[in-house]
Amino acid sequence: DVKVTQSSRYLVKRTGEKVFLECVQDMDHENMFWYRQDPGLGLRLIYFSYDVKMKEKGDIPEGYSVSREKKERFSLILESASTNQTSMYLCASSPGQGGEQYFGPGTRLTVT
Amino acid sequence: GNSVTQMEGPVTLSEEAFLTINCTYTATGYPSLFWYVQYPGEGLQLLLKATKADDKGSNKGFEATYRKETTSFHLEKGSVQVSDSAVYFCALVTGGFKTIFGAGTRLFVKA
Repeated sequence: DVKVTQSSRYLVKRTGEKVFLECVQDMDHENMFWYRQDPGLGLRLIYFSYDVKMKEKGDIPEGYSVSREKKERFSLILESASTNQTSMYLCASSPGQGGEQYFGPGTRLTVT
Repeated sequence: GNSVTQMEGPVTLSEEAFLTINCTYTATGYPSLFWYVQYPGEGLQLLLKATKADDKGSNKGFEATYRKETTSFHLEKGSVQVSDSAVYFCALVTGGFKTIFGAGTRLFVKA
């Protein structure tokens, strides 16, 4: 079974802190994704990566950056956390193009 | 552009009732279609998929048929259980990297 793990289930940070969310997948998938999920807004794509060191902006990249130094790991970085970044963050991976995505359990981030 | 529209929730049913969650899509080309389910406190997981017109995806008693003529992929289950309470997402992929998700439909099943 594909397994996607995220470093924390719950995280509380203060405004202005630098925040790292880590995601690891164990099935050698080429593609990895970061979404945020908010009530009434569904899933919104922040960034994705289709290869090591490659990244593409999604629909809402402002205030975020990403890093993919190894194929299995995709990090989401909030350079200076703000209260409007309080959300559920979901990581996903997929093999190739056009197929299904495999999701991690999510990190619920609260910025106070 | 590509989009997915699914019925608004919440949908509340009694156990053993019949379930339909409507999903329609707009896409260029020939998309693959998916239903994902999200149980409370968890990430999304694939429920079923169909990759071409007239295909029927099925899993755990749920099924959906890819209807190109009506651009629809409605989710159905003949007899729901309390354990089916979750949020259901319809989604499409047109061959690129990105998946387009619907807004999600929350289902509550009462005992």
